[in-house]
Amino acid sequence: AQSVTQLGSHVSVSEGALVLLRCNYSSSVPPYLFWYVQYPNQGLQLLLKYTSAATLVKGINGFEAEFKKSETSFHLTKPSAHMSDAAEYFCAVKRPGGGNKLTFGTGTQLKVEL
Amino acid sequence: GAVVSQHPSRVICKSGTSVKIECRSLDFQATTMFWYRQFPKQSLMLMATSNEGSKATYEQGVEKDKFLINHASLTLSTLTVTSAHPEDSSFYICSAGAGGLEETQYFGPGTRLLVL
Repeated sequence: AQSVTQLGSHVSVSEGALVLLRCNYSSSVPPYLFWYVQYPNQGLQLLLKYTSAATLVKGINGFEAEFKKSETSFHLTKPSAHMSDAAEYFCAVKRPGGGNKLTFGTGTQLKVEL
Repeated sequence: GAVVSQHPSRVICKSGTSVKIECRSLDFQATTMFWYRQFPKQSLMLMATSNEGSKATYEQGVEKDKFLINHASLTLSTLTVTSAHPEDSSFYICSAGAGGLEETQYFGPGTRLLVL
């Protein structure tokens, strides 16, 4: 079975600072990995995904993530935080050919301060 | 981009009544739809996977007679919470996938259910 661990349920950064949200995965086979963002009382929006192509994946809103097999990580970064980035971020894993079921991490609440 | 809608966005009902939530893929055909439940400040928990024209597959611990799922067409799935009780109050989110090996799930905006 696959799983993801998001270290840090809350992360706070200053506006303009680097954003780093951590995600480590566990999977018996090379996984597909996703980052989603959720704003209050809304559904999830896909930020980016890794599906065994380039290990550095660029997504929307200036976010990117790098798949590191040796570290079993898929951390999400953004060079400069904006106030509008404040939201809940979820890392998710899917086993290719595994019925397309996503397994979500527990989420990280990002706070951006002036 | 792929758009998924849910209706209603918010519903308040009395205990013992049934509530139906619709999930529609607006600009693509969804071979598979998923229903999730999210409690406050928590992650999404998959309730069931719904395939068009067949019975839904429920996750362990989810009562299929309590949460009825119908996937009548490639663009519509419904979740009916039967005989709702206050503990069923939650945020219900659906997602839809267009198929393929790299299938991405596109999420609806969610439905807030409050059972009094």
